[in-house]
Amino acid sequence: GNSVTQMEGPVTLSEEAFLTINCTYTATGYPSLFWYVQYPGEGLQLLLKATKADDKGSNKGFEATYRKETTSFHLEKGSVQVSDSAVYFCALFTGGFKTIFGAGTRLFVKA
Amino acid sequence: NAGVTQTPKFQVLKTGQSMTLQCAQDMNHNSMYWYRQDPGMGLRLIYYSASEGTTDKGEVPNGYNVSRLNKREFSLRLESAAPSQTSVYFCASSEEGSGRGETQYFGPGTRLLVL
Repeated sequence: GNSVTQMEGPVTLSEEAFLTINCTYTATGYPSLFWYVQYPGEGLQLLLKATKADDKGSNKGFEATYRKETTSFHLEKGSVQVSDSAVYFCALFTGGFKTIFGAGTRLFVKA
Repeated sequence: NAGVTQTPKFQVLKTGQSMTLQCAQDMNHNSMYWYRQDPGMGLRLIYYSASEGTTDKGEVPNGYNVSRLNKREFSLRLESAAPSQTSVYFCASSEEGSGRGETQYFGPGTRLLVL
């Protein structure tokens, strides 16, 4: 069946460090891929998305490229800030109204 | 715009009690969703409503019922709460209702503890 696997956290980085959060998926067909972010005490909000192979989604300095050959959608940011501390969810949509979310990766950024 | 609002923010129930979680959106969205979030498991879909007047089961519907009261409101009811339903519940909405994976907008969540 369809599934999303993302790296376990927590990930702890110093301010201005490079961030990678890995996400791989299993799906039939041509899914759309998303990264959502959840700040403390809040609901999830869309960070970026990509709807077809080789698309790059980007927002607020974060990027992710839809790689069909490696079934991956890794999240990257060149220089993290304390305000980026949150939980990041990779998500997969293959059809109907059902989005499959990964388990989430908690990021801590130290000043 | 308030976006998606949920009440209550926090609730403690005893096993066997019932309660209704309320959700409303002011974005004129067609589709609405209820998820539960458990540690290490991401979000799992309980029920969704593709459009006003329709509801369908998601991945984990057992023990829950829903009502799409109108286009704005989508409630989740626990008829007889169980400790396994201790979780954080999120309501979400999306615009088009085409089922093509458009962006979902989430409420702040309801934290439920069942003793």
